[in-house]
Amino acid sequence: DGGITQSPKYLFRKEGQNVTLSCEQNLNHDAMYWYRQDPGQGLRLIYYSQIVNDFQKGDIAEGYSVSREKKESFPLTVTSAQKNPTAFYLCASSTGVNYGYTFGSGTRLTVV
Amino acid sequence: GQQVMQIPQYQHVQEGEDFTTYCNSSTTLSNIQWYKQRPGGHPVFLIQLVKSGEVKKQKRLTFQFGEAKKNSSLHITATQTTDVGTYFCAPSGTYKYIFGTGTRLKVLA
Repeated sequence: DGGITQSPKYLFRKEGQNVTLSCEQNLNHDAMYWYRQDPGQGLRLIYYSQIVNDFQKGDIAEGYSVSREKKESFPLTVTSAQKNPTAFYLCASSTGVNYGYTFGSGTRLTVV
Repeated sequence: GQQVMQIPQYQHVQEGEDFTTYCNSSTTLSNIQWYKQRPGGHPVFLIQLVKSGEVKKQKRLTFQFGEAKKNSSLHITATQTTDVGTYFCAPSGTYKYIFGTGTRLKVLA
């Protein structure tokens, strides 16, 4: 079955450490996105990529970095520069901007 | 920039009652999508509206796009406990969607 996989589901890291969240899709979607969700809040866009080797900053890109070397993969690195990294991170993909998103099951990151 | 407001923020209903959430934009929208997120889960795409005044139904769910394409609504008839979750509207922006703050629905059995 086609889908989008995020790993790990739960992640704990010490403050000051960089951490990379994985996102893989086998839907052959061109566009991929990373969102952050804080408890009881909506989704805020971190980065998005419309095609391989190209990505754009979203509304809250500071302290995060991404790469898009393959169509299937869009990993997100949460750097030590992100001041409040504890959150629920959601990866999504779509055929294009006028099509519905397919979301992964998310990664809950806790920084202690 | 584009601003999206969803109301209400929270809604508690008795099972069997109807429920409506509204999404209002400060600018005219090209299209709008709706998503549902169950507690502890991830958002799931429900529908996309494109045309002015468009109305679409999915069983007990009715989605409407305003004539001026600045607002949209989701109406659930006779809620069930399976309807529990947060409903997000997501108007399209340039190359991406902007998610509203969501309406959290709780259904009391």
